Amino acid sequence: GQQLNQSPQSMFIQEGEDVSMNCTSSSIFNTWLWYKQDPGEGPVLLIALYKAGELTSNGRLTAQFGITRKDSFLNISASIPSDVGIYFCAGPTTSGTYKYIFGTGTRLKVLA
Amino acid sequence: DTGVSQDPRHKITKRGQNVTFRCDPISEHNRLYWYRQTLGQGPEFLTYFQNEAQLEKSRLLSDRFSAERPKGSFSTLEIQRTEQGDSAMYLCASSLASIVETQYFGPGTRLLVL
Repeated sequence: GQQLNQSPQSMFIQEGEDVSMNCTSSSIFNTWLWYKQDPGEGPVLLIALYKAGELTSNGRLTAQFGITRKDSFLNISASIPSDVGIYFCAGPTTSGTYKYIFGTGTRLKVLA
Repeated sequence: DTGVSQDPRHKITKRGQNVTFRCDPISEHNRLYWYRQTLGQGPEFLTYFQNEAQLEKSRLLSDRFSAERPKGSFSTLEIQRTEQGDSAMYLCASSLASIVETQYFGPGTRLLVL
């Protein structure tokens, strides 16, 4: 079945540093979404990507839809302590636009 | 607040008891989803509704689970005869049906079965 693999699994960074993470799949996705989840809360949508090659920013966050449609990247610039959390990529399965699968998550910890 | 809301936020129950969770989606959204998330994992799809019709159920949804969306607005998820393995975060999401759509999640209900 479809799977999304995220890398790295976790990372510690210093406040002010830039962060990069990625999400890869063995199959093609037509939409990529990036969510952030804080402990005990639901995922919050950060960025949605709908077209191969698309580059979209949301404040200090920038995400790209890979041209092969099998990967996506999320960058966070000048990280701050509140960036701590788990970042998930997600996308609709081939079964239909309604059924998302989620990646394995990248846990980010920011050292002040 | 016009986001997705869920109630309760936390539930502790004893094994064998029944529990019911409620989800109120974003008002104009006609699709509503339930996901389950266990520790260290991403959310897993359970079921979804378009208006009041339940259109798909995952194999993860055993016979002890039932979901309803009686008037196409709020939804309930009931778990009968809870087991310790049911302990998880239950997430609700909603979206507007379209060719490209985005799901917005609620804060979740964390269930602990003792």
